[in-house]
Amino acid sequence: DAGVTQSPTHLIKTRGQQVTLRCSPKSGHDTVSWYQQALGQGPQFIFQYYEEEERQRGNFPDRFSGHQFPNYSSELNVNALLLGDSALYLCASSRMADPNYGYTFGSGTRLTVV
Amino acid sequence: EDKVVQSPLSLVVHEGDTVTLNCSYEVTNFRSLLWYKQEKKAPTFLFMLTSSGIEKKSGRLSSILDKKELFSILNITATQTGDSAVYLCASSNFGNEKLTFGTGTRLTIIP
Repeated sequence: DAGVTQSPTHLIKTRGQQVTLRCSPKSGHDTVSWYQQALGQGPQFIFQYYEEEERQRGNFPDRFSGHQFPNYSSELNVNALLLGDSALYLCASSRMADPNYGYTFGSGTRLTVV
Repeated sequence: EDKVVQSPLSLVVHEGDTVTLNCSYEVTNFRSLLWYKQEKKAPTFLFMLTSSGIEKKSGRLSSILDKKELFSILNITATQTGDSAVYLCASSNFGNEKLTFGTGTRLTIIP
């Protein structure tokens, strides 16, 4: 039973560029949430996708956008990269119907903006 | 705005010691309090607490929630070097899909 898979594991981009991060949820999960974790900080909620729609969004600018596909996998896109976007980006999957609402996290994508 | 505060920010102890990590929260429509262990990248789930005063245990780890005083503690007894990690506390609430995390406690176990 595969867990949450994220790709790539590491990425280096230049300021102003655009980046796409990918996430495949755990088998049986239908909901994907994205978090940004800066060095020395806890993860910060970016947004959540369910049934291919954004259900909720955290305090992130419109440069951050996402998508969920029919197979429940998801992408996070960041445009016009800033140095401050350097962070570990975590994907978490869950089942919307699960009353215990347990999240499973992937290993993340380490993004460095130079 | 929902808020989760963890203390201490870092802790260094010797193998075999017992440690207590603290988490306080201010959350509207509180649903649950979760603890995660983060060694390198992926936070791994430890406990989910929804009811006050009921201790959850897993081996040497245990946790309890106080919904009146709005805090939780995570205890680790007979610590081992493999317990070295960042321990994250997070809250969830009804009608809101996100988890709100604290900054974490970095625990270092010295052999």
